[in-house]
Amino acid sequence: KAGVTQTPRYLIKTRGQQVTLSCSPISGHRSVSWYQQTPGQGLQFLFEYFSETQRNKGNFPGRFSGRQFSNSRSEMNVSTLELGDSALYLCASSFSGLLTDTQYFGPGTRLTVL
Amino acid sequence: GQQVMQIPQYQHVQEGEDFTTYCNSSTTLSNIQWYKQRPGGHPVFLIQLVKSGEVKKQKRLTFQFGEAKKNSSLHITATQTTDVGTYFCAGIRIAGNNRKLIWGLGTSLAVNP
Repeated sequence: KAGVTQTPRYLIKTRGQQVTLSCSPISGHRSVSWYQQTPGQGLQFLFEYFSETQRNKGNFPGRFSGRQFSNSRSEMNVSTLELGDSALYLCASSFSGLLTDTQYFGPGTRLTVL
Repeated sequence: GQQVMQIPQYQHVQEGEDFTTYCNSSTTLSNIQWYKQRPGGHPVFLIQLVKSGEVKKQKRLTFQFGEAKKNSSLHITATQTTDVGTYFCAGIRIAGNNRKLIWGLGTSLAVNP
């Protein structure tokens, strides 16, 4: 069974631009969660999507948004990029959700904002 | 701000020694999960604890969830070089209809052979 895939793996953007990251979950998994990982703040939960609906969310500003498609693939969008958005963005998939089920993480997208 | 404190931040042990990392939350948690992340890798789910006072074992790893569901620990007996990595706890906090996964900053374990 293929694992969680994320594209692109690396991205360089400048302040003010926007970016879209993609996550393809393990086949059959309906839940996709997104996380931001930085050395100073550690891992922070962004949001979880389940069956195309946002089910849970963290404390990030509205510049961070996401969506999930009918095939469970998910995208995360960050608008008006700031320097502090530089981070490793991880997605994780599970069958029934982050509360009840093992989450499998993808390799991440490393975003650098200049 | 960070609501789950994890200590120590770093731990350096000799192979064969034991290792423990602790997580403390300012609020009651619904569940707590533990993950391991190898250098350059991504987090790998280890276990989830749900019940107050729960203890679970996976070979040399012992996980505990406190009676008040505000703290948890991971203990590794007789560490091996393959245990190297950062261990994270992540607590699930429920607020109304929303659930958030709140992560500790992790404990980085180094093992000298």
